[in-house]
Amino acid sequence: DQQVKQNSPSLSVQEGRISILNCDYTNSMFDYFLWYKKYPAEGPTFLISISSIKDKNEDGRFTVFLNKSAKHLSLHIVPSQPGDSAVYFCAARGAQKLVFGQGTRLTINP
Amino acid sequence: DAGVIQSPRHEVTEMGQEVTLRCKPISGHDYLFWYRQTMMRGLELLIYFNNNVPIDDSGMPEDRFSAKMPNASFSTLKIQPSEPRDSAVYFCASSLPPGQGNYEQYFGPGTRLTVT
Repeated sequence: DQQVKQNSPSLSVQEGRISILNCDYTNSMFDYFLWYKKYPAEGPTFLISISSIKDKNEDGRFTVFLNKSAKHLSLHIVPSQPGDSAVYFCAARGAQKLVFGQGTRLTINP
Repeated sequence: DAGVIQSPRHEVTEMGQEVTLRCKPISGHDYLFWYRQTMMRGLELLIYFNNNVPIDDSGMPEDRFSAKMPNASFSTLKIQPSEPRDSAVYFCASSLPPGQGNYEQYFGPGTRLTVT
């Protein structure tokens, strides 16, 4: 039972355009959601988070949207830059633990 | 701050051998987590500690796996005996107590384990 799903294994976006990464979850008890970015041969690094009581959080080029009724969150990156090419994981917090999605590999093309 | 430190970065061993992975969390972090990443299962939590005490080990695959945290600055994950299906990248992460952060976990660089 996969409680957190990222249905797109990969995404390719033109430099300067918007990148939208999606994530769905099944457990309504999750109270916090996070996005992590991972480069090859490195550990995941925290990018941005959102509490379940909010529907939007913005940090520079990164915005996370949460739709609780649809159990869906998305990460918007605008404008996309070559350095954004990485694997992105969404994670949901429940009972002190994080449950991670499978990841989406984002490639930014020049 | 040096971040979460893991050693070794790479480990190649033969089936049946004992493997010990090491982790030093960020100073002041009360929570420590061990994860395993594979192509099939993604990033899955194995076990986590709070103040050096194991809280939830429900993700540990079987009795061949064990983890300890003898003090606030050191943890080990041991596999004995190792099997080829244990080949994966093992991550250690640490975090502040709830209420002192955004629940974000800080990950180490990982240990890539290959069991032949």
